[in-house]
Amino acid sequence: EAGVVQSPRYKIIEKKQPVAFWCNPISGHNTLYWYRQNLGQGPELLIRYENEEAVDDSQLPKDRFSAERLKGVDSTLKIQPAELGDSAVYLCASSLSRAETQYFGPGTRLLVL
Amino acid sequence: QKEVEQDPGPLSVPEGAIVSLNCTYSNSAFQYFMWYRQYSRKGPELLMYTYSSGNKEDGRFTAQVDKSSKYISLFIRDSQPSDSATYLCAMSGSSNYQLIWGAGTKLIIKP
Repeated sequence: EAGVVQSPRYKIIEKKQPVAFWCNPISGHNTLYWYRQNLGQGPELLIRYENEEAVDDSQLPKDRFSAERLKGVDSTLKIQPAELGDSAVYLCASSLSRAETQYFGPGTRLLVL
Repeated sequence: QKEVEQDPGPLSVPEGAIVSLNCTYSNSAFQYFMWYRQYSRKGPELLMYTYSSGNKEDGRFTAQVDKSSKYISLFIRDSQPSDSATYLCAMSGSSNYQLIWGAGTKLIIKP
């Protein structure tokens, strides 16, 4: 069974530019998470989807970050405009439900110059 | 003070040693305790999962939870170079399943 797929794996952009990350969860997983992981830190939840509904986005910086999960399958996380402090690894995870084990993708490593 | 505290290391031990990794927490509502392993440039993968207090063993790995002390541990027996990774503890309550993470401990097993 394929795991969580993320692309791109690496992205280097200049500040003020837009960037988008894509995630395809494990088939059948209704719950999808986006996390941000800074160097030497644990993952920080940005947003959680139950099917196509964003049910927990309290940690998402809404002035510059947006996310969508059309049709309740794959998801896109966007930053516009990017700031230097957005440099981090963006992880996508999925689970059968919010009470079940989360499975993580390899992450997208973002560097903002 | 963070809800979950974890020594970032690095912790360097010789191959074959017993490794002890620990986390402390402050929220008594936490009921689910997990250990994730993260290799360099990879996402975290679940290693051990424990509900409430007690011990759980899986091969060379043993997870312990002491809710009275708000302290959890992961023991690795007969450590191997392939165990070199960052180990993250994570925990959640039973009403809100959002994972609260430690910062991770970098473990290095020297051949």
